[in-house]
Amino acid sequence: DGGITQSPKYLFRKEGQNVTLSCEQNLNHDAMYWYRQDPGQGLRLIYYSQIVNDFQKGDIAEGYSVSREKKESFPLTVTSAQKNPTAFYLCASSALQGARNEQFFGPGTRLTVL
Amino acid sequence: GENVEQHPSTLSVQEGDSAVIKCTYSDSASNYFPWYKQELGKRPQLIIDIRSNVGEKKDQRIAVTLNKTAKHFSLHITETQPEDSAVYFCAALGGGADGLTFGKGTHLIIQP
Repeated sequence: DGGITQSPKYLFRKEGQNVTLSCEQNLNHDAMYWYRQDPGQGLRLIYYSQIVNDFQKGDIAEGYSVSREKKESFPLTVTSAQKNPTAFYLCASSALQGARNEQFFGPGTRLTVL
Repeated sequence: GENVEQHPSTLSVQEGDSAVIKCTYSDSASNYFPWYKQELGKRPQLIIDIRSNVGEKKDQRIAVTLNKTAKHFSLHITETQPEDSAVYFCAALGGGADGLTFGKGTHLIIQP
């Protein structure tokens, strides 16, 4: 389970606030991903990055932003434009070029909007 | 883009019996199909995966089969045990993207 970490574990946000979720990996993986998990919905891809300083939108990118300034880090910002941000957020990473190898998941951040 | 359908949403089996979970996908270019197990409040863990150049893969009590023509793949768990109780997700890597598309999950319940 080690190698990819997320913080915080729980996060509470007031409406109208931006919040940033941290994701760090020491697996030397090239690719990193953010997924959102809602009850009964499985995991949905928000953003992914295959290389430093480059990232791509996933299926539900609206209201989110990311950066990839370092290979080890891929923070996700949930902006006030995201209408229903309460969810469980999972970060993942994989080796080589993209998702053709196993994706390892972090422990997740549970975000609740008050 | 890719679309993955997973059935059933809930599956209850007696301990010791077999469990089968089925998924279909839409993108014929998809070539990687992992299965994840997620226990309550925890991260998904890869339990088995299969690539499009093989039809079946086994790992002890777990097996996955792939039918590329029909675009479906299945997870088979034999001799089920209480610790197999969890939510299982199938996923597919579409031909044009680099993020996995997941099914909605199957809640597997092992009855003692």
